[in-house]
Order: sequence, then C-alpha cells, then structure tokens
Amino acid sequence: NAGVMQNPRHLVRRRGQEARLRCSPMKGHSHVYWYRQLPEEGLKFMVYLQKENIIDESGMPKERFSAEFPKEGPSILRIQQVVRGDSAAYFCASSWAAKNIQYFGAGTRLSVL
Amino acid sequence: DQQVKQNSPSLSVQEGRISILNCDYTNSMFDYFLWYKKYPAEGPTFLISISSIKDKNEDGRFTVFLNKSAKHLSLHIVPSQPGDSAVYFCAARGETSGSRLTFGEGTQLTVNP
Repeated sequence: NAGVMQNPRHLVRRRGQEARLRCSPMKGHSHVYWYRQLPEEGLKFMVYLQKENIIDESGMPKERFSAEFPKEGPSILRIQQVVRGDSAAYFCASSWAAKNIQYFGAGTRLSVL
Repeated sequence: DQQVKQNSPSLSVQEGRISILNCDYTNSMFDYFLWYKKYPAEGPTFLISISSIKDKNEDGRFTVFLNKSAKHLSLHIVPSQPGDSAVYFCAARGETSGSRLTFGEGTQLTVNP
C-alpha cells in the first residue's frame, strides 16, 4: 500500500493524557500536512512540515500541540493534556513537492473522555 | 472568517442526471482550487483541480468551472452514479497562503438509484 498511512485509526484518551498521532507519507513524498476536522465542519489546516523542518504552523494552537517530521520515521502530531474540545478527526496529507496535489490518509479519530 | 464557503449542506440527485456542487470564495489571492470527495470513515480523495488561469477543467465525468469575477466555482458530475454519493469538499490555496489548503464545509451528495 503506497498511500498515506495514519495510525492509530481510533484513539481514546482521558482528559489530561497525551495523544500521539502518526503519519507515514506516500512513498517519495517529503512534504506533510496536518488538518483537523471538527464535527459538521470542514478540514482546518494545522501545520506543514518537511523533513526536520516546520514550514508553516500558522494553524496550530499555541499551547499543548506540537508536530515533528524527523529524518527517519513518521511525522508525529502530539497533543499534551488533552481536553474534550480536542475530540476530532485528524488527517494527514502528503505531497511530492510544495504546492503539489495533497493526498490524504484515512485519519485518526481522537475521542477525549 | 470563512474564506471558502459551500452554501448547500446537501444535494440529492437521480442516477444518470447531472450533479452541480457550488463553492464561493472571498480571498482574491487564491489561485488554485481543488475538489475532494470523502466517504464516511475515510480520508478525502482528490478529484480534480483548476488553476486561476483557466475557466474550465474536465476529467471524465467531472468538470470544474471557475468564474473569477464572481469568485465562484462549481463541480459538475455527469452522469451521476450511486457510487458518487459522498461529501464533496472545495479547497483553495494562494500565493499568500503557501501550500496550505483552505476548505469549505462540504456538501453531502446523495445519488438515488
């Protein structure tokens, strides 16, 4: 499967715990994007990364959220001290180059109890 | 500030007829537009795109029209098939927004057999 892989597909956390969402881009893609979809809404941009660099984090909440895309391994979106309002579907996309078509993974559905 | 708007939350069409999904935008700096299709519990799938230097792009049953003066685009699906039933998202990007996509809220298309 050469598509964008996200895991886990479903993640349940209690308030105050940490959530780690993983994304492996399509083969040959070095640009990764994270989007969040709240219920009944469209996708909202969070962050854009290339290997070892954050290019655009204008959509990231200022606190508790961080993202990385290391030289080796998947991109990680980390949410510390989760709150109920963090419950959403988090989608990762990748592209071969900047401003190329973005291809999406199946998403991680985070539920905060 | 909703820069990309899909005013119809839902659309119902008979199989074989034309489906027309609409999208309006407010940011005149947007210069590239995309349509994605999304099934439940899956990620968005890229359908078709158009650059602002064109007013029409066609790919099989899917045609996207862009009216820059009205800041409006539409997706036509002809003929519609039951398998087209999904949520359709319009997305846009521009020079000032870099690679990040701004999405509309989506339109649920239902194609009845």
